[in-house]
Amino acid sequence: DAKTTQPTSMDCAEGRAANLPCNHSTISGNEYVYWYRQIHSQGPQYIIHGLKNNETNEMASLIITEDRKSSTLILPHATLRDTAVYYCIVSMDSSYKLIFGSGTRLLVRP
Amino acid sequence: EPEVTQTPSHQVTQMGQEVILRCVPISNHLYFYWYRQILGQKVEFLVSFYNNEISEKSEIFDDQFSVERPDGSNFTLKIRSTKLEDSAMYFCASMSGRTYEQYFGPGTRLTVT
Repeated sequence: DAKTTQPTSMDCAEGRAANLPCNHSTISGNEYVYWYRQIHSQGPQYIIHGLKNNETNEMASLIITEDRKSSTLILPHATLRDTAVYYCIVSMDSSYKLIFGSGTRLLVRP
Repeated sequence: EPEVTQTPSHQVTQMGQEVILRCVPISNHLYFYWYRQILGQKVEFLVSFYNNEISEKSEIFDDQFSVERPDGSNFTLKIRSTKLEDSAMYFCASMSGRTYEQYFGPGTRLTVT
């Protein structure tokens, strides 16, 4: 089973920041937090990952709390193309497999 | 930009038939995966493959399933005798091992009638 808890759905206005929360209270010390998204029925797309420190790339920022029990994915200027299901995944076993939960369905409104 | 490709995009087969789903991972990647997603449900891990052998498989990946990397570029998933409940989108993914993000293909929609 997935080790994370996410809201079922969220929405935000186009051009505004989208902040997607994730709880992973049972995360262990060597487990990374990964974020992927799935647009419609396409293959999941990697967004960002982190261990302890906050991370930023061209797509998003990842804020991880100091106790690592939760994180927030930030899309700084959401566009309509960011409408998707966003998955927060905790993983660090030897095969690096991903266990997907139900994710958060983000709707970006015009 | 390199990408994972999958063929065919859609496969229709009759129950009991064998199917082979094909994937071409990104060329310098070392870890390979198959996942599936039944319509309206979660993406489920099937199998991981590294160093020419299965490194982990899920309960779904029973004796009817097999994987191969026949020629160093393709990565295939074979279902020996398809069942109605095998109808799903099947996604292939690869990962370099230098970094740990997985890149997914566009999927093959398998319909078993």
